[in-house]
Amino acid sequence: KAGVTQTPRYLIKTRGQQVTLSCSPISGHRSVSWYQQTPGQGLQFLFEYFSETQRNKGNFPGRFSGRQFSNSRSEMNVSTLELGDSALYLCASSLERRTDTQYFGPGTRLTVL
Amino acid sequence: AQSVTQPDIHITVSEGASLELRCNYSYGATPYLFWYVQSPGQGLQLLLKYFSGDTLVQGIKGFEAEFKRSQSSFNLRKPSVHWSDAAEYFCAVGAQGAQKLVFGQGTRLTINP
Repeated sequence: KAGVTQTPRYLIKTRGQQVTLSCSPISGHRSVSWYQQTPGQGLQFLFEYFSETQRNKGNFPGRFSGRQFSNSRSEMNVSTLELGDSALYLCASSLERRTDTQYFGPGTRLTVL
Repeated sequence: AQSVTQPDIHITVSEGASLELRCNYSYGATPYLFWYVQSPGQGLQLLLKYFSGDTLVQGIKGFEAEFKRSQSSFNLRKPSVHWSDAAEYFCAVGAQGAQKLVFGQGTRLTINP
């Protein structure tokens, strides 16, 4: 079974632009979560989607948003990029919620100049 | 609020030596606990997890961890490390079941030949 895939793997943007990152979960997995990883703040939870609905949200500004499609694929969007948004964005999927393990993708490295 | 502390930012051990990485958590209910490993430029790979039952759990690559409720700890151990174990290790607690993972700051493991 293929693992979690994320596209693109690398992105370079400038301040003020917006960006969309994509995540395809493991086949059959219905829950998708997003995390931001930075050297200063470590790994932080962004949000979780299940059945096309946001179920949990972390402590991030409204510039960070996401959605999930009927095939469980997910996208996250960051508008009005700031330098501090430079990070590795990780997507994780799990079969169900609450009692299931999350499996992570390789991440998208976003650099904001 | 849930939190995870990994007291050791960086550990160096010799190849063939034993390893113990410490993890302490703060969580009001029975926790869902995880250890993940991250190689440079990669996503997170699950090593092992604890949901309930036997407090000594076995994982991949010869790792094991022991859940000690009285000490709020979930330390990771390996009897004999290999050079390929050099990576960053993250302990995490599931803040709502197995979703919304809260991670520790990570422990970087260096292996001396």
